[in-house]
Amino acid sequence: SQQGEEDPQALSIQEGENATMNCSYKTSINNLQWYRQNSGRGLVHLILIRSNEREKHSGRLRVTLDTSKKSSSLLITASRAADTASYFCATDAKGSARQLTFGSGTQLTVLP
Amino acid sequence: SAVISQKPSRDICQRGTSLTIQCQVDSQVTMMFWYRQQPGQSLTLIATANQGSEATYESGFVIDKFPISRPNLTFSTLTVSNMSPEDSSIYLCSVERAGESTDTQYFGPGTRLTVL
Repeated sequence: SQQGEEDPQALSIQEGENATMNCSYKTSINNLQWYRQNSGRGLVHLILIRSNEREKHSGRLRVTLDTSKKSSSLLITASRAADTASYFCATDAKGSARQLTFGSGTQLTVLP
Repeated sequence: SAVISQKPSRDICQRGTSLTIQCQVDSQVTMMFWYRQQPGQSLTLIATANQGSEATYESGFVIDKFPISRPNLTFSTLTVSNMSPEDSSIYLCSVERAGESTDTQYFGPGTRLTVL
């Protein structure tokens, strides 16, 4: 069964605005990672947050993790047209020997 | 981060044929994985490529359809056998480096396969 669900499925914003994407999962995890994919290409790793962390920052990215709700959010501040891509969360479940289970993804469009 | 290359980057194949996809990493890695991404979908794990032993397949994927090799710590191949149009997908390898404490997985650029 699919581990992660993301919402919204699609998000369209103006350049300069903030974009928030959410991810929910079902089982206990070791960590949660966010990836970006541009137009059917390979995935670019953005950020990893461990199960004992609640918030993490990297540049314009802010990730939160709520293990009690089994959810995470990715915030991109001051968005740019180049941020247009699909964003996926991926969880590394406890006892899974490192396999990742991906969410359904959010297609973000940043309008110039 | 690891530098990962895949060959071919894309291919168009006829039904019933087979295609072997290569994944090369610039340094030794402990774990290598193969994923499939069907059109408009998210990624699904096919198998874990084990060095020196048979790959570990996920539910719904079998060795006869997706044979995998991993002869060393920097290279793996995935073969898509007896292809049908339903196999049209992007196939991606990912790696986790030896000694990294972050558990980060890095992905190759993907191979876009179209089966006619």
